[in-house]
Amino acid sequence: GAGVSQTPSNKVTEKGKYVELRCDPISGHTALYWYRQSLGQGPEFLIYFQGTGAADDSGLPNDRFFAVRPEGSVSTLKIQRTERGDSAVYLCASSPTGGPYNEQFFGPGTRLTVL
Amino acid sequence: AQKITQTQPGMFVQEKEAVTLDCTYDTSDQSYGLFWYKQPSSGEMIFLIYQGSYDEQNATEGRYSLNFQKARKSANLVISASQLGDSAMYFCAMREATSGTYKYIFGTGTRLKVLA
Repeated sequence: GAGVSQTPSNKVTEKGKYVELRCDPISGHTALYWYRQSLGQGPEFLIYFQGTGAADDSGLPNDRFFAVRPEGSVSTLKIQRTERGDSAVYLCASSPTGGPYNEQFFGPGTRLTVL
Repeated sequence: AQKITQTQPGMFVQEKEAVTLDCTYDTSDQSYGLFWYKQPSSGEMIFLIYQGSYDEQNATEGRYSLNFQKARKSANLVISASQLGDSAMYFCAMREATSGTYKYIFGTGTRLKVLA
C-alpha cells in the first residue's frame, strides 16, 4: 500500500512569505504528527492530530505556525511571515492510533528554504 | 521532562562485524516506549525496533536488537553482521505513556559508517 506522502518535496520562498506544506498519511491512520528537522539534529515534535483535532500542539514554536486536518486524513502545515530560521526539513508521520507504543511511518519530508 | 541522549556523533564498523549505538533516556513516567529509527542519506526515517518499558525481554528484529537496561535508563541498539547498506544516521526516540504528552522525543543521532 501507499506510504506517507508529502508535497512539495522542496519549497524555496522569500522571507516574509506564507507557505503551506501538505501531508497525506497512510489510509486509515488516525494519528498524524508533524516534525521539524534542522541540519545535524533529530526530528523536533511540532504537533499531533488524533482524527481532526490537534491533541497536542505544544511543539509549535510560535503563532506563525498553524496546522489543520479538517477531514481526519490530509493535513496542512501553514507558516506565516516566514523567517530564515524556519529553513529545515519538515517531516510528517502517521500511525494507526495515537498510542505510545506505536511505531510511526514517516514521509519523505519537505525541505523548506527561506531566502 | 523527557530527554534522549546519544553521545556518539559518529561510529565506524567493519563490514560483517557487530556494532552498538548508545542511547540513554530520562523520564519520570513509569510507562514509556523506546524506538530506534534509521535515516539514510535519502532522508526518509525508517522504523527499526521498539521496546516497551514493561517488556522484560530485550526486543529483537532480524539483525537488530535492543539492549534495554531499565535501571540504567539505557536502550542501546545492537546491529549484528553489519552491511554496507547500514551506513546511515540512527536516532533513538521515546514516548511517555501516562504523562499526558503525545510527543516523541528524538536524540541528536549517531552517524554510522560501515567499512568494506
